[in-house]
Amino acid sequence: EAQVTQNPRYLITVTGKKLTVTCSQNMNHEYMSWYRQDPGLGLRQIYYSMNVEVTDKGDVPEGYKVSRKEKRNFPLILESPSPNQTSLYFCASSSRDRQYFGPGTRLTVT
Amino acid sequence: GEDVEQSLFLSVREGDSSVINCTYTDSSSTYLYWYKQEPGAGLQLLTYIFSNMDMKQDQRLTVLLNKKDKHLSLRIADTQTGDSAIYFCAEVLFSGGYNKLIFGAGTRLAVHP
Repeated sequence: EAQVTQNPRYLITVTGKKLTVTCSQNMNHEYMSWYRQDPGLGLRQIYYSMNVEVTDKGDVPEGYKVSRKEKRNFPLILESPSPNQTSLYFCASSSRDRQYFGPGTRLTVT
Repeated sequence: GEDVEQSLFLSVREGDSSVINCTYTDSSSTYLYWYKQEPGAGLQLLTYIFSNMDMKQDQRLTVLLNKKDKHLSLRIADTQTGDSAIYFCAEVLFSGGYNKLIFGAGTRLAVHP
């Protein structure tokens, strides 16, 4: 079954404590991306990756890092989280005509 | 620039038709998508339409595309309480051979008896 998984699904943390949200896909897609969803703003792209070791900034990259060491994994890293990064995060994996979304990670930074 | 706009709320009575509207700005978009997000859940691809089509029908769903006005609509016939969700319109921009999705803010559909 085609799948994008994310972990954790829910996370509450404190300002400044580094965290990583993992994302994995089993479809051998080259293109993966991260979005954040905020009320009234829809989904905005944070970072994307077009292949292993190829990543680039999306529309709202500040405060985030990513890495793409393997094709299937695309972790999102918050080196020093701040309360304005409280949001719902989605990882996506793409074929040429469709994006597959993970179930989402709800992050709260206090 | 890239921008997709939707109204934020829609309330309909069960059994009526719902129409959710969306406008986009990039005339080069090749696909336009509708996603559904139920409370506490992820994004579910509901339907999509190619830019060379005017209409697509899939059971209770009808998508209309007016490319001249850059206007997209989703009609849900016989709306049920299970249709209560947030509906996102998204346009696709091909960048470097892959699709980048530009989302609207989402329309929250509330279905009442």
